[in-house]
Amino acid sequence: GAGVSQSPRYKVAKRGQDVALRCDPISGHVSLFWYQQALGQGPEFLTYFQNEAQLDKSGLPSDRFFAERPEGSVSTLKIQRTQQEDSAVYLCASSLDLAGGSGANVLTFGAGSRLTVL
Amino acid sequence: AQSVTQLGSHVSVSEGALVLLRCNYSSSVPPYLFWYVQYPNQGLQLLLKYTTGATLVKGINGFEAEFKKSETSFHLTKPSAHMSDAAEYFCAVSSSPNYGQNFVFGPGTRLSVLP
Repeated sequence: GAGVSQSPRYKVAKRGQDVALRCDPISGHVSLFWYQQALGQGPEFLTYFQNEAQLDKSGLPSDRFFAERPEGSVSTLKIQRTQQEDSAVYLCASSLDLAGGSGANVLTFGAGSRLTVL
Repeated sequence: AQSVTQLGSHVSVSEGALVLLRCNYSSSVPPYLFWYVQYPNQGLQLLLKYTTGATLVKGINGFEAEFKKSETSFHLTKPSAHMSDAAEYFCAVSSSPNYGQNFVFGPGTRLSVLP
């Protein structure tokens, strides 16, 4: 597609529920990133995929967070047994990841999925 | 470790006035620097970036930023504010050509433009 698409845009969950957030990156983009943006804060890195390989998951806050990108395109961020502190906007970004890192590796962000845990 | 400081969580300017949003960074390696803008309920949009070369970088919507290594700064400016510039602005630093993997964002500055 023309941009990075995220769904749902808004999700309200009761504490303890599992949620799944979807990201459709720009077609052909190799790299995909998930960020968490708490209210009034800048985005914080969660995890990074290159095609289907999850190369960095150092930012995932707990083992309740899980991300996958099985076919190297669409990605899903799953949060199990949600807690109130999980309330945030979850941003997905993708980049073409041209060889050599020439400066064309500009991240394109989606509009985000706003999760509210009651 | 890298970090970004944005002085002023909220800046107000009058329409037509100069916009100056401050960003200071710390990095142990030559940094890649970025400014992003976020409009309400939207994702981040790249305004401009510094990678190598010219230290004065021009971006979209009339914004520009100057990389000053001696001051570890990358302040964002626009000569004349427009009402449509009201948004949240984020400065980010990365040490990697893969960028997103190592992005560190600042806390953001909310810009208000008064008529």
